[in-house]
Amino acid sequence: QSALNQPASVSGSPGQSITISCTGTSSDVGTYRYVSWYQQHPGKAPKLMIYDVSSRPSGVSNRFSGSKSGNTASLTISGLQAEDEADYYCSSYRTSNTLDIVFGGGTKLTVL
Amino acid sequence: QVQLQQSGPGLVKPSQTLSLTCAISGDSVSGNSVAWNWIRQSPSRGLEWLGRTYYRSKWYNDYAVSVRSRITFNSDTSKNHFSLQMNSVTPEDTAVYYCARGYTGYDHYFDSWGQGTLVTVSS
Repeated sequence: QSALNQPASVSGSPGQSITISCTGTSSDVGTYRYVSWYQQHPGKAPKLMIYDVSSRPSGVSNRFSGSKSGNTASLTISGLQAEDEADYYCSSYRTSNTLDIVFGGGTKLTVL
Repeated sequence: QVQLQQSGPGLVKPSQTLSLTCAISGDSVSGNSVAWNWIRQSPSRGLEWLGRTYYRSKWYNDYAVSVRSRITFNSDTSKNHFSLQMNSVTPEDTAVYYCARGYTGYDHYFDSWGQGTLVTVSS
């Protein structure tokens, strides 16, 4: 069982917007702005899409945005495109005696 | 643009040692602010951060609690690569292993990843 909770799947039609949630606790998502999101296509390595809750790395489309409220972070993809179909994972720093980075279980996005 | 190239065996026998190397191009294994991470992914455990190594006048390692007793990181500045060794492996350690670039300080994300190595633990 993963440390952060994500829905197993979401779907949307091309052009629509979807939101993927990532629920943690006050030990991770609720306290820190160190939430990141990764896109993973089958057989490929994860790709960073969002960091520090809402920042986008250079080269990532502005159709991808992130936010956080309380213990839940969210990834929103607007103007869905076929190429967005992939698995998405959230990650967060977690309070611990030592450094700890935790991940969500992943959400399969299907573009209908 | 940084690139990470992984190498190492894809099959390891139970109780033996898993060894992987990640060669870096476009950055330095001993660079300021960067940290070099190992992450694995399996159907049963999902994505799991294993730890990181970085250089700040000397080498530092942070290991995940779940594997701390079995894991070691090493780095070679002359070859610009870093490596992972995990001993006493079991079938539960079967996973795709990734190396990834991160940072120290207040940055806890991974912006470059290796291609992944499927490691199967089986006799």
